[in-house]
Amino acid sequence: EVQLLQSGGGLAQPGGSLRLSCAASGFTFSSYAMSWVRQAPGKGLEWVSSITGGGTTTFYSDSVRGRFTVSRDNSRNTLYLQMDSLTAGDTAIYYCAKPLSLGNMFDPWGQGTLVTVSS
Amino acid sequence: EVVMTQSQATLSVSPGERVTLSCRASQSISTSLAWYQQKPGQTPRLLMYGASTRASGIPARFSGSGSGTEFTLTISSLQSEDFAFYYCQQYNNWPLTFGGGTKVEIK
Repeated sequence: EVQLLQSGGGLAQPGGSLRLSCAASGFTFSSYAMSWVRQAPGKGLEWVSSITGGGTTTFYSDSVRGRFTVSRDNSRNTLYLQMDSLTAGDTAIYYCAKPLSLGNMFDPWGQGTLVTVSS
Repeated sequence: EVVMTQSQATLSVSPGERVTLSCRASQSISTSLAWYQQKPGQTPRLLMYGASTRASGIPARFSGSGSGTEFTLTISSLQSEDFAFYYCQQYNNWPLTFGGGTKVEIK
């Protein structure tokens, strides 16, 4: 069974940093690109970042480019999202997600982790 | 950026009725479209991909259609468990983008 178990998150001050982790199991992790999607309270879904299976290519939304860094450790089957220079606008539930197959449609999703940016 | 528009913010529907949700892309995305269902407090669930292929375990009452810029998700006979938010997502171009969502609520 494919599982994505997230950790990290919590409360950060504006300008601060947090790191999210997503531990994967049940599939060959290094064979799949992985992504982060977020959802602000009461709002819709917003794609944040993706990384190829080998970790050599990364993609970012304009809203986080230059502040967030996606990475992965294929030896640990773990995906990361380093979030720096956080603002209140980054407050959201963050999900990691695996593509179903070829193409970036997501299934399954991690359980989500809440990031709150507030002073 | 491909802007995805779900023009119906809320649909009020009675159980057993047929409901059609719309999603429009600002430029052609072929059939690189997915639909997700999300219930309050839960993670999104993939319903459809390739515009018309049901994901594993999705009941046959869900169907999808469309290509290019216009897409629809149809639920043939709404069940109580189908009241939720629905999001479309294009994966033809970077950045990946989602529609704003449609809430299907009980009438």
